[in-house]
Amino acid sequence: GENVEQHPSTLSVQEGDSAVIKCTYSDSASNYFPWYKQELGKRPQLIIDIRSNVGEKKDQRIAVTLNKTAKHFSLHITETQPEDSAVYFCAASLYNFNKFYFGSGTKLNVKP
Amino acid sequence: GAVVSQHPSWVICKSGTSVKIECRSLDFQATTMFWYRQFPKQSLMLMATSNEGSKATYEQGVEKDKFLINHASLTLSTLTVTSAHPEDSSFYICSARDPGTDTQYFGPGTRLTVL
Repeated sequence: GENVEQHPSTLSVQEGDSAVIKCTYSDSASNYFPWYKQELGKRPQLIIDIRSNVGEKKDQRIAVTLNKTAKHFSLHITETQPEDSAVYFCAASLYNFNKFYFGSGTKLNVKP
Repeated sequence: GAVVSQHPSWVICKSGTSVKIECRSLDFQATTMFWYRQFPKQSLMLMATSNEGSKATYEQGVEKDKFLINHASLTLSTLTVTSAHPEDSSFYICSARDPGTDTQYFGPGTRLTVL
């Protein structure tokens, strides 16, 4: 099956700085890569996703980049705010099949 | 966005008993739902794929006789933890794929504590 690795496990940044979280995947057939934000005790919420026919996608302060050759993708958050503090998970899947394999998570702490 | 609910939100049971968790898609029909478990401060681990009208498919290492899944309708999947033991204590989360948007939505999770 697919193996997704994510790092760093924890990330602390100052408010206003940028944060970058990186993931790698093992199965070259994976073609859909969502990112989820999970606050303590709550459900994961989709924040952005990217499909393999696109190299980059941006939504306001959040962007995701994908390098299919290297099999890695990254989440970029600019102008971080304290409310961005949460655990972020990347995932990889075969789009049509929709089984998600999650990375180990990154706990982001944005200091005011 | 679409809503997926789970019931109960938390449950405490004695060792040896069985616990049923429900997952419902409230405003769309989901032919496929997924069940995950999450240990504290850890990632979501896919347990099984629940297919409406057919048998669930389980990930390697997940005991199908231990974790019974039934997907009896397009809006409801159930996970039954049979003969629960303390090591089954975990946060169980379901998700459902909205075929209209191709987006997967997660339920709020069920915290199971087995004494």
